[in-house]
Amino acid sequence: DIQMTQSPSSLSASVGDRVTITCQASQDISNYLNWYQQKPGKAPKLLIYDASNLETGVPSRFSGSGSGTDFTFTISSLQPEDVATYYCQQYDNIPLTFGPGTRVDIK
Amino acid sequence: EVQLVESGGGLVQPGGSLRLSCAASGFTFSSYTMNWVRQAPGKGLEWVSSISSTSNYIYYADSVKGRFTISRDNAKNSLYLQMNSLRAEDTAVYYCARPRDVGSGYSFDHWGQGTLVSVSS
Repeated sequence: DIQMTQSPSSLSASVGDRVTITCQASQDISNYLNWYQQKPGKAPKLLIYDASNLETGVPSRFSGSGSGTDFTFTISSLQPEDVATYYCQQYDNIPLTFGPGTRVDIK
Repeated sequence: EVQLVESGGGLVQPGGSLRLSCAASGFTFSSYTMNWVRQAPGKGLEWVSSISSTSNYIYYADSVKGRFTISRDNAKNSLYLQMNSLRAEDTAVYYCARPRDVGSGYSFDHWGQGTLVSVSS
């Protein structure tokens, strides 16, 4: 199975700050990587697919990059409504696997 | 509008069974691979199972293999998860998830609201 790690596990930043989350796969997954946002009590929401493609309707302050084993998710200017947990997910191999999540709060 | 509505969750004793359903609407259900993803209380997301559009390809997480069975009825626009030999560690919210396009089985742009399964004596 492909293991996904994320760092940091949590972060606190100010409104307007640039926030970066990293995700690492245990083996090469090309660009088969998604990023989701999950708010408490809600289903996850797809933000980025194929490592760097912005899902329709998602604000442009969200972006993703990377390929192979190392990936980055960025919020260019943190907004109050971005408080959530963010997960990466690989779909290069079955079983699909998610990272453990990164909780983002406002300082 | 795409809608996925799960049902069938509840409290069950260890060793018991439950059948989850996911009613789909607003899209051509028969064209999409469908998936179940679960989330234990306070924990992260775990993919459970996937079924292709014509049920030819079915996959399970090792944690549920041999105990859970995924199925679908394209005539009824419905997805199912039969869960047997339930364990405490199966306690979770179970989500039905649809990929963003028919060619991509695993980038989930639509999710149901989830149904809670609690396994406890």
